[in-house]
Amino acid sequence: QQQVKQSPQSLIVQKGGISIINCAYENTAFDYFPWYQQFPGKGPALLIAIRPDVSEKKEGRFTISFNKSAKQFSLHIMDSQPGDSATYFCAASNYSNYQLIWGAGTKLIIKP
Amino acid sequence: KAGVTQTPRYLIKTRGQQVTLSCSPISGHRSVSWYQQTPGQGLQFLFEYFSETQRNKGNFPGRFSGRQFSNSRSEMNVSTLELGDSALYLCASSFWGSSYNEQFFGPGTRLTVL
Repeated sequence: QQQVKQSPQSLIVQKGGISIINCAYENTAFDYFPWYQQFPGKGPALLIAIRPDVSEKKEGRFTISFNKSAKQFSLHIMDSQPGDSATYFCAASNYSNYQLIWGAGTKLIIKP
Repeated sequence: KAGVTQTPRYLIKTRGQQVTLSCSPISGHRSVSWYQQTPGQGLQFLFEYFSETQRNKGNFPGRFSGRQFSNSRSEMNVSTLELGDSALYLCASSFWGSSYNEQFFGPGTRLTVL
């Protein structure tokens, strides 16, 4: 119940295309869903996060879509650029957890 | 504001040895979490410290231990190293804890066990 399942494991997208990464969870108590971006040689950094009171959150080219009934959330990267090539992690938590539960990560490669 | 720093950045040890990794959080942050990252396994949570107390622990053997000092700096120790302990060890800090707060990660310590 504490797992967050992330797919795909790796993804190759052409420059200018849309990158989509999906995550699913089981614990209905989760109420905070962040996405982190990690470049080689660096630690992950927060990209965007959502609470379940909204179905979508957009920041620039990055959008989180949230489906509470399906217990799924996804990251969409519009107009994908080579600089977006990185590993992306979804995560989930609730207030009493004191910890984030992480997906396994998606390695995204944007081909020029 | 200075970011999270981790020392050393790279470490090579042999099986059976022990190792201590250090993490200095962002000034003012009281929570420090440690993660093990291996290819294909994502981020595995080791433990979290808040105000010098271990508040949460992941599913790792007792060979992995940590502590936090009064200035919020944290150390992680791994005893009797095994080949499978080779990984990137990441430290992250936040003000209150990871649940709702943005975690700020250091660059990690790359541990190689031979």
